[in-house]
Amino acid sequence: NAGVTQTPKFRVLKTGQSMTLLCAQDMNHEYMYWYRQDPGMGLRLIHYSVGEGTTAKGEVPDGYNVSRLKKQNFLLGLESAAPSQTSVYFCASKGRFYGYTFGSGTRLTVV
Amino acid sequence: DQQVKQNSPSLSVQEGRISILNCDYTNSMFDYFLWYKKYPAEGPTFLISISSIKDKNEDGRFTVFLNKSAKHLSLHIVPSQPGDSAVYFCAVRPGESARQLTFGSGTQLTVLP
Repeated sequence: NAGVTQTPKFRVLKTGQSMTLLCAQDMNHEYMYWYRQDPGMGLRLIHYSVGEGTTAKGEVPDGYNVSRLKKQNFLLGLESAAPSQTSVYFCASKGRFYGYTFGSGTRLTVV
Repeated sequence: DQQVKQNSPSLSVQEGRISILNCDYTNSMFDYFLWYKKYPAEGPTFLISISSIKDKNEDGRFTVFLNKSAKHLSLHIVPSQPGDSAVYFCAVRPGESARQLTFGSGTQLTVLP
């Protein structure tokens, strides 16, 4: 099925560990986004990319890095995980029209 | 400052009745508004949208109303069905040149059989 695929779906990290979340889309979309969802906070933009090789900061970028080496992939990295980064992470992509296509999310717990 | 506010974290409605979900925004320059629906363990999915040049858009049981003078957006679901139980997010495009959406905090709708 065409769409946005996120891996992994679940992960538990210890404080200070690092990890990379992978987002892949097969719709040839230019724009890709990483959001986090926290209770009562809605979806907050972490980083986004408007094309291969470009990235930009969103609303809550601290503690995260991203890379868009290939058009279809958008990676979100946590270099030194903190409990405050416990959240559900959603990747999204956007084509010509305004709406996003979201992945099914990655539930990350940092202990 | 929250640019988009959904002041009701939850809403319960009887099956067959109308559900009204509300969203307030701060900036009159916002030019495009969307609603997304999210089921547990899934990503949000696009539901309906409206441009700032309109005040109403309808798609089946779903209607979105835009009151620009009040900076208020609402989603009406008629009739409500148990399968509509989900979290609903409103989202805005902050301006014509913006490349990202800003989301509200969401409202959990529960439709009771």
